[in-house]
Amino acid sequence: GDQVKQSPSALSLQEGTNSALRCNFSIATTTVQWFLQNPRGSLMNLFYLVPGTKENGRLKSTFNSKESYSTLHIRDAQLEDSGTYFCAAEWDQGGRALIFGTGTTVSVSP
Amino acid sequence: DAGVTQTPRHEVAEKGQTIILKCEPVSGHNDLFWYRQTKIQGLELLSYFRSKSLMEDGGAFKDRFKAEMLNSSFSTLKIQPTEPKDSAVYLCASSQGTEVFFGKGTRLTVV
Repeated sequence: GDQVKQSPSALSLQEGTNSALRCNFSIATTTVQWFLQNPRGSLMNLFYLVPGTKENGRLKSTFNSKESYSTLHIRDAQLEDSGTYFCAAEWDQGGRALIFGTGTTVSVSP
Repeated sequence: DAGVTQTPRHEVAEKGQTIILKCEPVSGHNDLFWYRQTKIQGLELLSYFRSKSLMEDGGAFKDRFKAEMLNSSFSTLKIQPTEPKDSAVYLCASSQGTEVFFGKGTRLTVV
């Protein structure tokens, strides 16, 4: 809901281009996770983040706890990057279930 | 290595029926979650267990939804009685305190 706001809601990319997705948090977030839901519906964990930055191949994610946001950068977008990206916040000093954003649907075209 | 296993993958129920969805978490994971996913509401928490103890129960779902975890390797979600508005994908997930791993979900259709 409003506690985790994702933007944009949808994104169209051409192969080879770069883009960024963002999540803003209105709750005291301790860790952030990013997931990709493929067109078949399977949710795959991309990143687990404490404050800081992680990189995996063409994906890079940052969690800034002081300013309450997280970003996911996609570099050199490929067709297989298409799907819906969700961020999720762990909050209240942990011990609570993740709260999910509403997702960003990414479509990569040739 | 087995991930989170959910059965059945699809379920069709008539309004008023009782249905039970099943989940086996990743072996060794202490945290188990049930979420519901719809296009309008997105991902909503139904229940969260830690070491088989109920930690959170989604407030809007207490009425007809009951999740149980009788042992560390198996959980059920009972919906009784079902209503058409319960049509959704029900996702089970598990964690050992860090990354959360999801099953493929059960798509429930209530007619």
